[in-house]
Amino acid sequence: GAGVSQSPRYKVAKRGQDVALRCDPISGHVSLFWYQQALGQGPEFLTYFQNEAQLDKSGLPSDRFFAERPEGSVSTLKIQRTQQEDSAVYLCASTLTGGPETQYFGPGTRLLVL
Amino acid sequence: GNSVTQMEGPVTLSEEAFLTINCTYTATGYPSLFWYVQYPGEGLQLLLKATKADDKGSNKGFEATYRKETTSFHLEKGSVQVSDSAVYFCALKRSGNTGKLIFGQGTTLQVKP
Repeated sequence: GAGVSQSPRYKVAKRGQDVALRCDPISGHVSLFWYQQALGQGPEFLTYFQNEAQLDKSGLPSDRFFAERPEGSVSTLKIQRTQQEDSAVYLCASTLTGGPETQYFGPGTRLLVL
Repeated sequence: GNSVTQMEGPVTLSEEAFLTINCTYTATGYPSLFWYVQYPGEGLQLLLKATKADDKGSNKGFEATYRKETTSFHLEKGSVQVSDSAVYFCALKRSGNTGKLIFGQGTTLQVKP
């Protein structure tokens, strides 16, 4: 596709449920990033992949958060046993290589945990 | 640590007014600096960037100059339009970094006709 796509666009989960959020980066983009954006705040870095390798996961807030990119293309962010504080917009971005070049962002998945 | 601070919003202006949104940063080394914009209902889009001191980024009438001496990257536009109404984010990427961006909290701009 022409841009980064994410699905679902909206997700409502009951507290304690597991959720999986999908990101399809721009074709051929090597680097993929996940960010979390709380209401009224700027995005905060969660994790980074170069191809299938997860090179930085320093931003994941707890061990309930897990991300993978097994074939170096599509990525999934999984949140286990969701809590209300996990409610946020989850953004995915990709770049061709990962230097100071433009990061192209997807539309985000808005997660609401009740 | 590395951080970005933006002026608080919302900023409300009349059409054709001059815009300044302040952004200052704290970082080690020589970061690259960015302005992203988020229009209502849309995803983040890169507006402009500068990768070294004294560089000026510009796009769509917006400008920002990388000022290392004041650690600033203020966004300016000479004459705003209603269509510029959006949330603006200042961000940095540290040199030699994996590429992750550190964002400010965002500034909402409302332009009235």
